Amino acid sequence: GENVEQHPSTLSVQEGDSAVIKCTYSDSASNYFPWYKQELGKRPQLIIDIRSNVGEKKDQRIAVTLNKTAKHFSLHITETQPEDSAVYFCAVTTGGFKTIFGAGTRLFVKA
Amino acid sequence: EADIYQTPRYLVIGTGKKITLECSQTMGHDKMYWYQQDPGMELHLIHYSYGVNSTEKGDLSSESTVSRIRTEHFPLTLESARPSHTSQYLCASSPFYEQYFGPGTRLTVT
Repeated sequence: GENVEQHPSTLSVQEGDSAVIKCTYSDSASNYFPWYKQELGKRPQLIIDIRSNVGEKKDQRIAVTLNKTAKHFSLHITETQPEDSAVYFCAVTTGGFKTIFGAGTRLFVKA
Repeated sequence: EADIYQTPRYLVIGTGKKITLECSQTMGHDKMYWYQQDPGMELHLIHYSYGVNSTEKGDLSSESTVSRIRTEHFPLTLESARPSHTSQYLCASSPFYEQYFGPGTRLTVT
């Protein structure tokens, strides 16, 4: 079955710096790659996603890049702010809508 | 207001009891999902559904069952609760790929 690996598990950055989280997957049939943010005690919320026919997508300070050949995709957050502190999950969905999540990255942004 | 609802929000129950966690959405989404998540940790897929009368097993499906008789309703049943079931259970719905999560049910099995 699909396997999703997410790195790093914990990331600490200074306010204003950039943060990068990477995920690798195993199923070449995967075609949808979302990122979810979960703040403490809250439900996960979609922050950005990318389809398999696109290499990069940007939304203000966040961007996602996809390398289908290498089977990895990354979340980039620029100009980090304290409110970016949360757990970030990547996920991979196949054409059958089965979704597998990565283990999560705990991001700390120090003011 | 269109949203996804889960009841109960908190549940403490004894070992061996049968329990049903409720999930309802008013967004008209076809797809629905159940995940198990310890706080801040990985989400494990339990079951999912493409629509009415369709259910599929995830990686943690062996000790639970689901049904999808109505579009808006996707209950999860644990036939015999065990302490290892202590966790948070998140329900999600989706119009196509992107998922919208409910607030979760925090289950403690004593």
